[in-house]
Amino acid sequence: DTAVSQTPKYLVTQMGNDKSIKCEQNLGHDTMYWYKQDSKKFLKIMFSYNNKELIINETVPNRFSPKSPDKAHLNLHINSLELGDSAVYFCASSLTGRDTGELFFGEGSRLTVL
Amino acid sequence: SQKIEQNSEALNIQEGKTATLTCNYTNYSPAYLQWYRQDPGRGPVFLLLIRENEKEKRKERLKVTFDTTLKQSLFHITASQPADSATYLCALGGYSSASKIIFGSGTRLSIRP
Repeated sequence: DTAVSQTPKYLVTQMGNDKSIKCEQNLGHDTMYWYKQDSKKFLKIMFSYNNKELIINETVPNRFSPKSPDKAHLNLHINSLELGDSAVYFCASSLTGRDTGELFFGEGSRLTVL
Repeated sequence: SQKIEQNSEALNIQEGKTATLTCNYTNYSPAYLQWYRQDPGRGPVFLLLIRENEKEKRKERLKVTFDTTLKQSLFHITASQPADSATYLCALGGYSSASKIIFGSGTRLSIRP
């Protein structure tokens, strides 16, 4: 009964390719996020959606395009992959108004661009 | 710009001692501060939240303090165990649901038997 699940867990691809990472949560949360964790373990927010509406859009290249078909799903599509895109991408979800504001994270998708 | 610093990349202590991790921040007035644990190859897991008007929070062997004047939080694990070895991340959140939660780079804690 995985709460936040991401696929694929590992992704190895060549520069210039296009790839997608999918995320689904079964917690009934209304907000979902994409975070990027680089080699120094720094976790940086990229996007956030609340009820399918984009509410946070950090300074991320246009090659990254999130899509939320419904509030339980948030996908990330990356065009023209570059070496610097290599990182672990984490999906997370939360419930607006929840007292703790805690984020529930997926297990991460490790992207390696060669 | 907003900045969060965790005192050290790595901390090694003897089992049974108290581990103390530090989180400092600048250019931010958070509504709350959170601590997460991250094991290798896994996603972060929420541990504790402390609000701006709270000084201290406890949960079992964990204790968090929050000093908004110093812009600092301390995270303590008492009676540490090897199973506590992990990376610990602090995170700050704002007042609205649209506020982003920003993370520090973490401290890797190792508890030796």
